[in-house]
Amino acid sequence: DAKTTQPNSMESNEEEPVHLPCNHSTISGTDYIHWYRQLPSQGPEYVIHGLTSNVNNRMASLAIAEDRKSSTLILHRATLRDAAVYYCILRDKTGTYKYIFGTGTRLKVLA
Amino acid sequence: GAGVSQSPSNKVTEKGKDVELRCDPISGHTALYWYRQRLGQGLEFLIYFQGNSAPDKSGLPSDRFSAERTGESVSTLTIQRTQQEDSAVYLCASSLAAGGWMDTQYFGPGTRLTVL
Repeated sequence: DAKTTQPNSMESNEEEPVHLPCNHSTISGTDYIHWYRQLPSQGPEYVIHGLTSNVNNRMASLAIAEDRKSSTLILHRATLRDAAVYYCILRDKTGTYKYIFGTGTRLKVLA
Repeated sequence: GAGVSQSPSNKVTEKGKDVELRCDPISGHTALYWYRQRLGQGLEFLIYFQGNSAPDKSGLPSDRFSAERTGESVSTLTIQRTQQEDSAVYLCASSLAAGGWMDTQYFGPGTRLTVL
C-alpha cells in the first residue's frame, strides 16, 4: 500500500497562511490524494481531495506536484478553529477503498 | 441532514466482558467502514461493508472482533472477551459508494472504549 509522510507538528499564527506538506513518493497513477482533519475529541472530517490538478474549495486549497510525489494543503488564513491533526491519505485500490491513515500533522494555531 | 451517529459515546467495561458498538450511517450510503484509533495514533482500518456484505475484514485484529450490517443501514461491531489493549476510540464512517469521486467518507464521533 502506498504510504504518506507528514511532519509530526507545525505552528502558525492566526490569520496567516499555513502550508501543510505531504510526501507520497510511492503513489500510483490512479491514487487520489485525500486530506482530512480531526479536531479534538471528534471524528475526522473531509477537507479536500484531488488527483492531478490543483483544487480549491471553501475550506482550503490543494497543490499537487507535477510528478504527484508530494502535495501541500494550504489554509489561506488560519483561525484558532483550524487547530487539529491533518491527515494526508491515499486510498487503497484493492476494491475496498479503505483509507490508510498515517500519524498526521498536529497544527497549532497561535493567537 | 443527519450525519453518522455512534452509540454509546463512551463505554467502560471489565476485562473479559463482551461489548457491542453501534453505527448509524448517513441514509443512502452503501459503504460503511470501521476504524480504530489508539491514543495519540492515526486510524487503523478494521472492516468494510458494501451493502450488507463485508468484502474486506483484513483489519480485524483477532477472532474476538466481529461486525455485521443489516438493512444496508445499521452496523454493529462486537468485541468478545475484551482485553486492555482493546481500549481505543472506535470510529465508523460511511460513503455513498466505494470508489472514485463519490468516496468521501463521513465519520461519526466515535465510541471511546475503556477496558479496565
